[in-house]
Amino acid sequence: SQTIHQWPATLVQPVGSPLSLECTVEGTSNPNLYWYRQAAGRGLQLLFYSVGIGQISSEVPQNLSASRPQDRQFILSSKKLLLSDSGFYLCAWNSGSFEQFFGPGTRLTVL
Amino acid sequence: QKEVEQNSGPLSVPEGAIASLNCTYSDRGSQSFFWYRQYSGKSPELIMSIYSNGDKEDGRFTAQLNKASQYVSLLIRDSQPSDSATYLCAPYNAGNMLTFGGGTRLMVKP
Repeated sequence: SQTIHQWPATLVQPVGSPLSLECTVEGTSNPNLYWYRQAAGRGLQLLFYSVGIGQISSEVPQNLSASRPQDRQFILSSKKLLLSDSGFYLCAWNSGSFEQFFGPGTRLTVL
Repeated sequence: QKEVEQNSGPLSVPEGAIASLNCTYSDRGSQSFFWYRQYSGKSPELIMSIYSNGDKEDGRFTAQLNKASQYVSLLIRDSQPSDSATYLCAPYNAGNMLTFGGGTRLMVKP
């Protein structure tokens, strides 16, 4: 069966510091991978998606970036965090169907 | 107009009642529709998918789709306190991306 992992689970970072969030999927190959952000009391916003290694599409221009160095690894990064980057970051995957499955998420607080 | 509209709630129902959650969407090209349940502080969990007009039943859950009216709903029969969560409606848009509504918060009171 497929499983998706995210780490860290929670993170508190100062404004201006860098960020690296990691997502890995097990039990499937060549998945589509997605990064979403859910701000407090708001809906899910798609940030990036990837259909293969090194292939990244951005949905929202901002100070975040994404990379896919391996087939089942998706990384979300920032060089300098802003207060507005606080939120619940969710990685999701699908493969061969439209149904997307979410990881446990990373709760980021920028102070 | 938002792409996906849901009443934010909270929708409060007594235990054992039917909870009815509604969603309207703007993209007429949407062909696939999903309902996610999200407990407070947790990630969304897929609970239902529907692709054709009509009803689809899975246990206590029934999804209803009307593409002509651009309307999708989720019925929860015999509601339990454990059903208390936020329910997210998510159509696949014409660009093959999931678009999420803001969610409806459901509270089931014992």
